[in-house]
Amino acid sequence: NAGVTQTPKFQVLKTGQSMTLQCAQDMNHNSMYWYRQDPGMGLRLIYYSASEGTTDKGEVPNGYNVSRLNKREFSLRLESAAPSQTSVYFCASNRDRVYEQYFGPGTRLTVT
Amino acid sequence: QKEVEQNSGPLSVPEGAIASLNCTYSDRGSQSFFWYRQYSGKSPELIMFIYSNGDKEDGRFTAQLNKASQYVSLLIRDSQPSDSATYLCAAPSYNQGGKLIFGQGTELSVKP
Repeated sequence: NAGVTQTPKFQVLKTGQSMTLQCAQDMNHNSMYWYRQDPGMGLRLIYYSASEGTTDKGEVPNGYNVSRLNKREFSLRLESAAPSQTSVYFCASNRDRVYEQYFGPGTRLTVT
Repeated sequence: QKEVEQNSGPLSVPEGAIASLNCTYSDRGSQSFFWYRQYSGKSPELIMFIYSNGDKEDGRFTAQLNKASQYVSLLIRDSQPSDSATYLCAAPSYNQGGKLIFGQGTELSVKP
């Protein structure tokens, strides 16, 4: 079992460029999440998906869109990157919302 | 009041000592609690979970839960330099649809 995988590991974008961060899990989990982590800010929830076909906004959704492609995959899209989106992005999944979450290795994104 | 609160630290303990990490939560409906360890530059890793009042031991780690006081703690006995990391507490919030809410994390430094 690979657990939760994320691609890419690192990315540098110029302001205004777009990109999609990919996440996949092989644990047959229903719920998936996207977080960003900035120094001193802890983990902040961007979007989550409680089940295939549903997505909901988290604490900081502005500037992002998501797609729950199937039960395994949950992608995060930045349509027009801004320097404020420089961060480390983590994908996580769990069996259901109240259970422990398992995290991917993260994507370190820099927007110049 | 934040739903899950931790002292940000840093907490510094000498090698071999007991490190005590504390967490309070506001949602009295929370039934399960999780401790994550995050090394610098890495993703959060689940190390302990507890559902019942009292203590739960796993090797050098003991989680303690007091639901009446809405207080969860993590004790690390015989602390090692390799325990130096940020420790995150998490609990489901029924005010937020049962999603896990993470504390800001406590940075622990174990000095040789």
